[in-house]
Amino acid sequence: GAGVSQSPSNKVTEKGKDVELRCDPISGHTALYWYRQSLGQGLEFLIYFQGNSAPDKSGLPSDRFSAERTGGSVSTLTIQRTQQEDSAVYLCASSLVITDTQYFGPGTRLTVL
Amino acid sequence: AQSVAQPEDQVNVAEGNPLTVKCTYSVSGNPYLFWYVQYPNRGLQFLLKYITGDNLVKGSYGFEAEFNKSQTSFHLKKPSALVSDSALYFCATAHNTDKLIFGTGTRLQVFP
Repeated sequence: GAGVSQSPSNKVTEKGKDVELRCDPISGHTALYWYRQSLGQGLEFLIYFQGNSAPDKSGLPSDRFSAERTGGSVSTLTIQRTQQEDSAVYLCASSLVITDTQYFGPGTRLTVL
Repeated sequence: AQSVAQPEDQVNVAEGNPLTVKCTYSVSGNPYLFWYVQYPNRGLQFLLKYITGDNLVKGSYGFEAEFNKSQTSFHLKKPSALVSDSALYFCATAHNTDKLIFGTGTRLQVFP
């Protein structure tokens, strides 16, 4: 079946602009996660959603970052007033339930000029 | 705090030889351990996981990993390396079975 998809695959933006990154999880997966992969910080957790529960936002690096998940499916990660240090690959993953294996999308490479 | 360590930034091995990519963990309670592989410009692909049960876990593409509680290790192994195995490998643990905490990654280079 279809895997996790993310769009866009690449995004170049100017410092100070807002960006939205989209994730389509595997159909039927109730848990959705966002991670960030950067040269300086490696792979780090940002936020996850599990069903209708309140999301775990403990990994968001600043209040410029936010995410929502509509209808228990698609998720959007929004970064406001982007900074150069936000440049990274943003990875989305989903799992059937919170304790199950996470499957990753191809990522969105964000470059902030 | 939960963590995993990958002590080698890079591992080089000749094709056909056995390979080992090392991972040690530091977790409280029962460890949930994972290996993922990342090919260039691709997302992470799941290889295998240890939750409970047999210490030797078999996964995709002929990889396996051995959970060793006394040494707090979860090394990834393959009996015969292929050039196509060259990639970046990440060990991870799941915090309270939810979010993944990753190691720094080990680049595997298999030479023909």
